[in-house]
Amino acid sequence: AQKVTQAQTEISVVEKEDVTLDCVYETRDTTYYLFWYKQPPSGELVFLIRRNSFDEQNEISGRYSWNFQKSTSSFNFTITASQVVDSAVYFCAPPLNTGFQKLVFGTGTRLLVSP
Amino acid sequence: NAGVTQTPKFQVLKTGQSMTLQCAQDMNHEYMSWYRQDPGMGLRLIHYSVGAGITDQGEVPNGYNVSRSTTEDFPLRLLSAAPSQTSVYFCASTLRLGTPSSYNSPLHFGNGTRLTVT
Repeated sequence: AQKVTQAQTEISVVEKEDVTLDCVYETRDTTYYLFWYKQPPSGELVFLIRRNSFDEQNEISGRYSWNFQKSTSSFNFTITASQVVDSAVYFCAPPLNTGFQKLVFGTGTRLLVSP
Repeated sequence: NAGVTQTPKFQVLKTGQSMTLQCAQDMNHEYMSWYRQDPGMGLRLIHYSVGAGITDQGEVPNGYNVSRSTTEDFPLRLLSAAPSQTSVYFCASTLRLGTPSSYNSPLHFGNGTRLTVT
């Protein structure tokens, strides 16, 4: 059975620190995908990125970067030079089906960035 | 485009009462779904629909009914509310697989309905 684990329940950093959020996805599939969502204190869910297990390059978008470590089935999400506005709960979510519509959400990592 | 609109934003029910959570999208998305979010448990899929007239159960369907009479609307019904249904409910939509843009289309979420059952 598929299992997604976000072992870090809560992370606290000071502004401008770099922070990495971990997501481990256990599956027998040889090719798989993972979505990342952000939920700020206001409560809405914001799509960040979709990553594939066969992506060899790290994905970088501004201060955000994602990389996949095949040996540990770990999708890591790094925020460089964190800001207070990055404070949120971050979810990783692999799809249950090939159409990507049915997502299984991890329990989330709450990131607190203090000034 | 309003995106995915959920109403109401907040609701308090007494045990045994019924109500319908409304969800509407104006993006012509074929796929719609309902999730509930509870502390420490992430989001769990309740029901979903791949098009008008078609619905199916997700991970936690008990106590909830859905119907999909139009592409735009996907209401979630609680027939007899229980305290265990106290949660935040999110509606989401996306393109259906097979469309040119579906590969990169993520789930679009509404802003949620916070439901308390006393």
